[in-house]
Amino acid sequence: EAGVVQSPRYKIIEKKQPVAFWCNPISGHNTLYWYRQNLGQGPELLIRYENEEAVDDSQLPKDRFSAERLKGVDSTLKIQPAELGDSAVYLCASSSPRGVDEQFFGPGTRLTVL
Amino acid sequence: AQSVSQHNHHVILSEAASLELGCNYSYGGTVNLFWYVQYPGQHLQLLLKYFSGDPLVKGIKGFEAEFIKSKFSFNLRKPSVQWSDTAEYFCAVRGNYQLIWGAGTKLIIKP
Repeated sequence: EAGVVQSPRYKIIEKKQPVAFWCNPISGHNTLYWYRQNLGQGPELLIRYENEEAVDDSQLPKDRFSAERLKGVDSTLKIQPAELGDSAVYLCASSSPRGVDEQFFGPGTRLTVL
Repeated sequence: AQSVSQHNHHVILSEAASLELGCNYSYGGTVNLFWYVQYPGQHLQLLLKYFSGDPLVKGIKGFEAEFIKSKFSFNLRKPSVQWSDTAEYFCAVRGNYQLIWGAGTKLIIKP
């Protein structure tokens, strides 16, 4: 069984540029999470999807961050424009169903904003 | 507010030493508790979890953790560590479908 797939693995951009991250969850997992992990800290939830519906986006900085999960499968997280403080690892995870079981994580995207 | 505290950011042990990593949480309701591990260059993976029942739970690779409700703790233990246990360990608590994570403990095992 394939795990959670994320791309790209690494991204370096200049501030004010846009950037997008892509995630393909484990087949059949209807719950998808985007986390941000800063250096020396644990992951922080940005947004949680149940199928295509964003059911918890309270910690997503909506002025510059957006996310979508079309058809309830793949998801994209976008930052526009990026700021220096956005440098972090962006993790995608999936679980089934309704988050009551363990979450399976992808390898993450390491974003560096210069 | 919910929070998770991991006592040590860095731990260095020799092979065959015993391990205990502390985790305390702050949450008033029913909790589910997790330990995740991230080996160098790999993604986060589940080590063990507690939902209910026996407060002593066993996970993969000889790890175990004990849930002590009165102390709001969920400490991770292993009686004899190996060099391959070098990794970062995260404690997490779930309430209301959201996982709240500790800052992690970097464990280095000297061969």
